[in-house]
Amino acid sequence: GAGVSQSPSNKVTEKGKDVELRCDPISGHTALYWYRQSLGQGLEFLIYFQGNSAPDKSGLPSDRFSAERTGGSVSTLTIQRTQQEDSAVYLCASRGRLSYNEQFFGPGTRLTVL
Amino acid sequence: AQKVTQAQTEISVVEKEDVTLDCVYETRDTTYYLFWYKQPPSGELVFLIRRNSFDEQNEISGRYSWNFQKSTSSFNFTITASQVVDSAVYFCALRAEGAQKLVFGQGTRLTINP
Repeated sequence: GAGVSQSPSNKVTEKGKDVELRCDPISGHTALYWYRQSLGQGLEFLIYFQGNSAPDKSGLPSDRFSAERTGGSVSTLTIQRTQQEDSAVYLCASRGRLSYNEQFFGPGTRLTVL
Repeated sequence: AQKVTQAQTEISVVEKEDVTLDCVYETRDTTYYLFWYKQPPSGELVFLIRRNSFDEQNEISGRYSWNFQKSTSSFNFTITASQVVDSAVYFCALRAEGAQKLVFGQGTRLTINP
């Protein structure tokens, strides 16, 4: 079966540009997460979606970051007016219905802001 | 607040040696879940194990074993007869019941030399 997929795998952009990162979760998984992995900060939680509930945005570092999940499946993370400190690997994960289930991660999108 | 500490930043051993990766956690929640993930050079986080707080049984899976001790808030991971393919960064993570995000340790980079 297919795992979590993310696109693009690599993205290089110029400072000030907007970028969109895509995540396709495992089919049937109701929960979807975005994390960021950077050298200085380790793995940080960004945002969480569960079904039709309001997302938990508590980890978003600034209002330049936003995310949406359409139809309870695909999610897009948008970073507006990118800054060099946004350079990191952005990881998406999905989880099955039960709250104790483990999260399965995608391969990540490596974002480089020049 | 939850916290996970992996004090060992890097470990290097020779193939066939046993190696233990330490993980210490902090939480005030009575119900929580602990995880280990492996991140090989390809970058994708691979789920290894989940342990529930109410189940202190140790677990063995092939060359891998996990020692969960609530009394010391530790969830250590041992690889027996290590192999070069075990080289990766290993992350310990915690999720409290009712919370959604995983709180990760800083990771331990394990290098197995031939």
